[in-house]
Parts: sequence; C-alpha cells; structure tokens
Amino acid sequence: AQKITQTQPGMFVQEKEAVTLDCTYDTSDQSYGLFWYKQPSSGEMIFLIYQGSYDEQNATEGRYSLNFQKARKSANLVISASQLGDSAMYFCASIYNQGGKLIFGQGTELSVKP
Amino acid sequence: DGGITQSPKYLFRKEGQNVTLSCEQNLNHDAMYWYRQDPGQGLRLIYYSQIVNDFQKGDIAEGYSVSREKKESFPLTVTSAQKNPTAFYLCASSIMGNGANVLTFGAGSRLTVL
Repeated sequence: AQKITQTQPGMFVQEKEAVTLDCTYDTSDQSYGLFWYKQPSSGEMIFLIYQGSYDEQNATEGRYSLNFQKARKSANLVISASQLGDSAMYFCASIYNQGGKLIFGQGTELSVKP
Repeated sequence: DGGITQSPKYLFRKEGQNVTLSCEQNLNHDAMYWYRQDPGQGLRLIYYSQIVNDFQKGDIAEGYSVSREKKESFPLTVTSAQKNPTAFYLCASSIMGNGANVLTFGAGSRLTVL
C-alpha cells in the first residue's frame, strides 16, 4: 500500500530564509505523482507543486521547488525566502492507480518568525 | 469564479442523528472526493466518485454514505453508525485523465457531535 511519511511535526524558520520540509514515500508503482499542499488556519487546502515520477527535472513554482530523489523515495519541499504568510500546515501527498485518489502524510506545521 | 462550495461551514449534531454535508462544484470536473481530517492529522479518504451515479469507498467509508446524481454535486451523509464523527470534512474535485490530477478543495465543513 502507498504510504507517505513526514517526520517533522513542526518547523521554525526565520523570515527571508529558506526551509526544507521532508517527505518520503513508499510505493511499488512505476508511475506515480507527488504533490504538496498548504493548509492555512482557515482550513482550505491550497495546491503548491506537483512532480511526476518520470519527470527528470525537479519541479519549481515560484518560491517553491521540489527536491525529488527517486532512488531515496523522497520528495522534499523547499521554500525560498520565507514570508510570514507561509506559516501553515504543509502536506505531502501521492497519487496512484489513476483513480485520482491522493494519499496524504501527517503534515508539518511551519512557523515563520519575523 | 469557479470553485467548490461546501456547506454548512460549522455544524453541530446530537448523538444518534444523521447529518448531510453539501458539496457543489462549478468547475465541470468529473471526479469528486470526500476527505476527513482529525486534529493534527493528515487527510483520509472517505468516498470518491469518478462519474455520475457511481462512487467507490475510500479507506474509512464505514458510517458514511454519498450520492452522485449530478456532476456538480456530491453530498456526504454522516450517519449515526459513525462512532466518532467529530472532524473537519473536506470536499475536492478534479479532472479525470489529467496526468497531474490536481485536486481542488472546498473550504471545509467542521462537524461537532454534542
């Protein structure tokens, strides 16, 4: 079965610094996708970035980049130049079986200090 | 603007009562999903539907029921058989056949059993 592991329950980062949020996944599928979502205190899930298993380049979206290491089965999120508005829960998720079902990790709570 | 509307935002229920959470989307998405989130936890899939009049159980379907009579609507009923229904419920939708299959989420409904 698919499993997503986020080992950092909480992280602190100074404003304007970069931070890496860890995510490892466990799958025997050859084709899969990896996502990161942000959940502010309001509760809504906001899509940040996607990486397909066959994508050779690491995905980037503005200040977000995904450090994809296939052999290690890791898909870490890097946020550059942290902003106070980045304070939120961050979830790593994977998709499998083309059914559109996402499996989520436990999340990492990021706090950005001024 | 296109999006997903969940209602009500907050709901209180007495033990033994059924309650229905509404989810409507105007994104013309084929697939719709219901997730449950408990405090400090990731999201767990309850039910999903890829086409009208068809739906499948997710990982924690017991005590819940759904219907998909229209493409735009995917209501979730929390029945009295659900032993611990107090949680945050998120509805999502996506386009089927899109490799990335990015899920768009609603703002969520918070259910509290008194």
